Amino acid sequence: DAGVIQSPRHEVTEMGQEVTLRCKPISGHNSLFWYRQTMMRGLELLIYFNNNVPIDDSGMPEDRFSAKMPNASFSTLKIQPSEPRDSAVYFCASSPETLPNYNEQFFGPGTRLTVL
Amino acid sequence: QQPVQSPQAVILREGEDAVINCSSSKALYSVHWYRQKHGEAPVFLMILLKGGEQKGHEKISASFNEKKQQSSLYLTASQLSYSGTYFCGTERGNQGGKLIFGQGTELSVKP
Repeated sequence: DAGVIQSPRHEVTEMGQEVTLRCKPISGHNSLFWYRQTMMRGLELLIYFNNNVPIDDSGMPEDRFSAKMPNASFSTLKIQPSEPRDSAVYFCASSPETLPNYNEQFFGPGTRLTVL
Repeated sequence: QQPVQSPQAVILREGEDAVINCSSSKALYSVHWYRQKHGEAPVFLMILLKGGEQKGHEKISASFNEKKQQSSLYLTASQLSYSGTYFCGTERGNQGGKLIFGQGTELSVKP
């Protein structure tokens, strides 16, 4: 099993540019989570999907952030326009459980985003 | 409401024991424990559901006291491979895995 796949692994961009992060969950997993990790704020849940449907996006910081899951094998997190304070490691995780049950979350390797 | 972990950091010699605590001001449904090594992704250790069950994973075990809204992670006879940052993630209801993570406890095991 390939595990959760994220791309790109590193992204350096300039303020104001659009950034798209991609995630391929583990096949057969029903839930997908997007996290952001910084030294100041720790590991924060941004949004999560269940069966491709967004369930809770209360962690999305502002309208500049959007996430989609067009099918069971692909999700994107977009930042437009990007700002220096968006610099962080963004993790995608998937879980094999469906509501109302849940299980462990398998994290991808992360995307390190730097906004100059 | 972010759970509070203590201690923030701990240094051990190989073979020593450690306890990491996770406390919440809100009633909890479950507590998840993860370990993250530097530059890597968090890796799942275990889940504890309300009911006060204790779980074990090799020499790592955990307990969950729902009345006190606390969970503790026990590392016995620590090994070098235990080094990393330990996070607890809490869930207030059965929310399909919506976790709020603590700030983490950095554990260093020295030879």
